[in-house]
Amino acid sequence: AQRVTQPEKLLSVFKGAPVELKCNYSYSGSPELFWYVQYSRQRLQLLLRHISRESIKGFTADLNKGETSFHLKKPFAQEEDSAMYYCALSGNAGGTSYGKLTFGQGTILTVHP
Amino acid sequence: DADVTQTPRNRITKTGKRIMLECSQTKGHDRMYWYRQDPGLGLQLIYYSFDVKDINKGEISDGYSVSRQAQAKFSLSLESAIPNQTALYFCATSDLRGKGYHGYTFGSGTRLTVV
Repeated sequence: AQRVTQPEKLLSVFKGAPVELKCNYSYSGSPELFWYVQYSRQRLQLLLRHISRESIKGFTADLNKGETSFHLKKPFAQEEDSAMYYCALSGNAGGTSYGKLTFGQGTILTVHP
Repeated sequence: DADVTQTPRNRITKTGKRIMLECSQTKGHDRMYWYRQDPGLGLQLIYYSFDVKDINKGEISDGYSVSRQAQAKFSLSLESAIPNQTALYFCATSDLRGKGYHGYTFGSGTRLTVV
């Protein structure tokens, strides 16, 4: 079974401070990992995928297979980063769960001025 | 116009009533999903469909049913609503064609309250 755990329900930082949102997963294979963001009154949207190794809005995330983690990081948080963040996992290509996402519990990030 | 549209946006219904939530998409995706969002629990999968003739139960399908009327439409029904089905419901779509899997596109959500 696949599982995603986000240990922090709430995370508060001040503007300009570094931020790290933690995500750990359980999966017996090579998963694909994603981060989704939900700003106030907006729909969930894809922030980044591990497979594309991109940086979006200053956020990066590295897949650490040894620690089964996919933490989201940003060196200097901005007030507009305040949102709900979800980590999600899809099984590897060829498997029955490929393309079907399992989500973590979500972390509400608040960036104070 | 939104790619994935959910109706209604908000609904209050009474315990025991049947209610249908609708989702339509213009992205041409084969795959559609229904999730519910509860504080502290994240998003939990209710049902999913990989094509028109394919329907699968998710983690929390009890008390729900779905209908995939066409590639573009996927409806979620609560046959007899109960208060603990009060939640925010999201529809999502995805596609595995082209260069592979790119994640979900979500609707705006339906906030359902069962009193």
